Amino acid sequence: EPEVTQTPSHQVTQMGQEVILRCVPISNHLYFYWYRQILGQKVEFLVSFYNNEISEKSEIFDDQFSVERPDGSNFTLKIRSTKLEDSAMYFCASRDTGVSVNEKLFFGSGTQLSVL
Amino acid sequence: ILNVEQSPQSLHVQEGDSTNFTCSFPSSNFYALHWYRWETAKSPEALFVMTLNGDEKKKGRISATLNTKEGYSYLYIKGSQPEDSATYLCALSGTYKYIFGTGTRLKVLA
Repeated sequence: EPEVTQTPSHQVTQMGQEVILRCVPISNHLYFYWYRQILGQKVEFLVSFYNNEISEKSEIFDDQFSVERPDGSNFTLKIRSTKLEDSAMYFCASRDTGVSVNEKLFFGSGTQLSVL
Repeated sequence: ILNVEQSPQSLHVQEGDSTNFTCSFPSSNFYALHWYRWETAKSPEALFVMTLNGDEKKKGRISATLNTKEGYSYLYIKGSQPEDSATYLCALSGTYKYIFGTGTRLKVLA
C-alpha cells in the first residue's frame, strides 16, 4: 500500500538553527498537511497546501515557518530559527484528490524534533 | 474555532472486555468526523469517516456512531484484544484542515 514517508525520523538541533523536515506524500495526492504534537498535548494543525500554495495556516505557523514543494514529489517544512518550544513530533499528511473533503488523511511516521 | 474533546484521556481494560469512548464537539459546522488509530512508533491510521447524523460504521470488532445534533461520536471496541492498545484520535474535517481531539489512550491488559 502506498505510504507517506518522512525524513529524518529524529532531528536534534541547537536553538536558533534552521531545520528542514522532509516528506514524500503519496504520489497521486495533491492536498498536503503538516501537523505537530508536543509531548502530552493534542495533535495541532500547522498548515495545509494545495496547488502550490498555502490553503490555510494556524497561529502556530508564523514567519519562522515555511513550506515548499520544490520538485513535485517532496513537501518540506522549514523552521528558520528554532526555539525550545518547537520541540515536537511533526507529522506530514496527504489526501486524495477527490472533491469531497471527507477523504481520510494518510500520515507519515513523523519526525521527532528536539531543540536544545 | 472548533474544539474537539475526547474522553476519557486514557483507560486500561482487561482482554475480552468491551469498551467505548467519546468524541464531543460544539457544533455541526464541519464536513466529516474521522476516527484514527495511532499505535506507538507508527503513523495514525484512518478507521472511519462519518458525515451524516445517525451514521454508523463497523470494521470487525470496532464500530462508531455519529450524533451531530447533540455533538458527539462514540467508538466501541467489542472484546478488546492487546493489539487494540493504541491512541484513538477523532478529527473534524473542514474545507482546508482537520481538527484533532486530545485522543484516548487505550491499554488492553492480557
